[in-house]
Parts: sequence; structure tokens; C-alpha cells
Amino acid sequence: GQSLEQPSEVTAVEGAIVQINCTYQTSGFYGLSWYQQHDGGAPTFLSYNALDGLEETGRFSSFLSRSDSYGYLLLQELQMKDSASYFCDLRDDKIIFGKGTRLHILP
Amino acid sequence: EAGVVQSPRYKIIEKKQPVAFWCNPISGHNTLYWYRQNLGQGPELLIRYENEEAVDDSQLPKDRFSAERLKGVDSTLKIQPAELGDSAVYLCASSRGAPGGYTFGSGTRLTVV
Repeated sequence: GQSLEQPSEVTAVEGAIVQINCTYQTSGFYGLSWYQQHDGGAPTFLSYNALDGLEETGRFSSFLSRSDSYGYLLLQELQMKDSASYFCDLRDDKIIFGKGTRLHILP
Repeated sequence: EAGVVQSPRYKIIEKKQPVAFWCNPISGHNTLYWYRQNLGQGPELLIRYENEEAVDDSQLPKDRFSAERLKGVDSTLKIQPAELGDSAVYLCASSRGAPGGYTFGSGTRLTVV
């Protein structure tokens, strides 16, 4: 079957760097996506990894290791507006979202 | 480009009543998704369309939920009859179908009382 695991909450300080991990189990694999969702808002696409390695988009980067069934989202130079929930989304024959990681940022 | 448009934004109904949600995807996006999101949880895929064909509806509770995508553009999701446990945010998303992410609409927040 398929499964996704990510931490329920992470706390970091403004200006710092934070990493949100996502581990998965699947019989097939197409890619791993990341989404940001503010309270009351819709999920917003951040990044997608189909191959091993790092994808960088401004302050956000996403990493994938298919051999370890593991990925992470890296947020640099944290700003208060980055306080949100972050979801990983697994693509194989099915599509499943993780339960989300709530990121708290302290001033 | 215009985003994914959903209506209504909010809906309150009594249990056992029917309800329908409408979605207009981004122009040119042939793949359309309906998700349900409960508070504090990730989105759960209900149904995925490639053009007008439902290619994955394995998570759709077919005894009370139905969906259609006429002409491969707009889509409607219906619940009949609604139950208390159906209270959630119903999200529509679309993509070009290529690997990558998709764009979500603002969602419909359904409250069943």
C-alpha cells in the first residue's frame, strides 16, 4: 500500500532555516510535491521532485532520495508569513497527501 | 490567467438535504481533481478527471456522492443526501496533466447541521 509520514508540528525562529521531512511507502513512484496552506486558504504549489536531488526555488528548496523513500522541504531566511501548514503529496498510480506539518515561527 | 473558480464559497445545509458544488478549471487544464479536506488534515482525493473521463474515483463514496465533467471543462460534485460527517472543505484543482503540481481553487466550506 501507500503511506506518507511527516511531522505534525515544527517550530523555528524568524530568519533561521527549517527542514520538513516526508517519508513514504509505495509500490511505484512518479514524484513528490510540496504545498503550502495558510489558515482558511487553499493549498499553493511549491515544488515537485521526480528525480533524486535538490530543486531550488528562491528561499524554498525540496530534496528527494528515491532509494531512501524520503524527501524534505527546506525553508531559508524564515519570515513570519511562512507560518502555515506544509503538505507533501505522493504521486504514483494514486495521489495521496500527507497530514501536514504545522510550521510555527517565533520572532 | 484566471485561477480555478469554485462556487459557492460557503454552504450550510440540513442533514439529508442535497448539495452541489461547481468548479471551473484554468483554461487548457485537462486534468481536474476534487478533494475533501477535514480540519487539521491533508486533502483527500475524491475523484480525478482526464478531460471528461473519470480515471480515479476509488475514494468517492458512490452511495451518496456523484460527479460529472461535461465537455471536459466545468465540473460539478453532488452529495445526496448529506450527512453530518460530510462537513468539510471541498477543493477543486486543475493541471495540464504533465508531472508537477496543480492549482487549487478557494474551496467550498460545507457545514451540515
